[in-house]
Amino acid sequence: DIQMTQSPSTLSASVGDRVTITCRASQSISSWLAWYQQKPGKAPKLLIYKASSLESGVPSSISGSGSGTEFILTISSLQPDDFATYYCQQYINYPWTFGQGTKVEIK
Amino acid sequence: QITLKESGPTLVKPTQTLTLTCTFSGFSLSTSGVGVGWIRQPPGKALEWLALIYWDDGKHYSPSLKSRLTITKDTSKNQVVLTMTNMDPVDTATYYCALRRSIVGAPFDYWGQGTLVTVSS
Repeated sequence: DIQMTQSPSTLSASVGDRVTITCRASQSISSWLAWYQQKPGKAPKLLIYKASSLESGVPSSISGSGSGTEFILTISSLQPDDFATYYCQQYINYPWTFGQGTKVEIK
Repeated sequence: QITLKESGPTLVKPTQTLTLTCTFSGFSLSTSGVGVGWIRQPPGKALEWLALIYWDDGKHYSPSLKSRLTITKDTSKNQVVLTMTNMDPVDTATYYCALRRSIVGAPFDYWGQGTLVTVSS
């Protein structure tokens, strides 16, 4: 199985901050990576697919980059609605695997 | 409008078999490239991918759970069913079904609201 490792596990930030979350794969996954946002008690919401493609309706303040084994999710200016947990997921090989999550909390 | 909704028991006993149904609307599982998958999340923990079934009846399972899982589809009823045998308290989780609209696109575009399954005697 491909292991996905996110860092940091928790991130404390303020509204307006630029935030970056890293996701590393245990082997190359090309660009077959997605990012999701999850709020407490809710289902995950797709943000980014194919490493950098923005899902329809997702604000342009959110972006993804990377390929191979290292990927970054960037929120250019953190808004109150962005405080949540973020997960990366590889989908090049079965079993698809998720990272352990990064919780973005209010500083 | 695309919707998915999970249904099934909220409480199962250890060793019992869990049967979950995902009922969807707004798309057809007979359309080329479409798939529906199951993902679970134990309380306070990360997401875990379980299984996926495609329009052509292609199926994929998590290797660690493959012996316990079966995924099937009923295209006429717009449903996907997941069965998990020999349930254990560690299987307590929220179970989600999710749509993959295209085999060349995103993994899961739309998700159901999830259903919490507790395994306890």
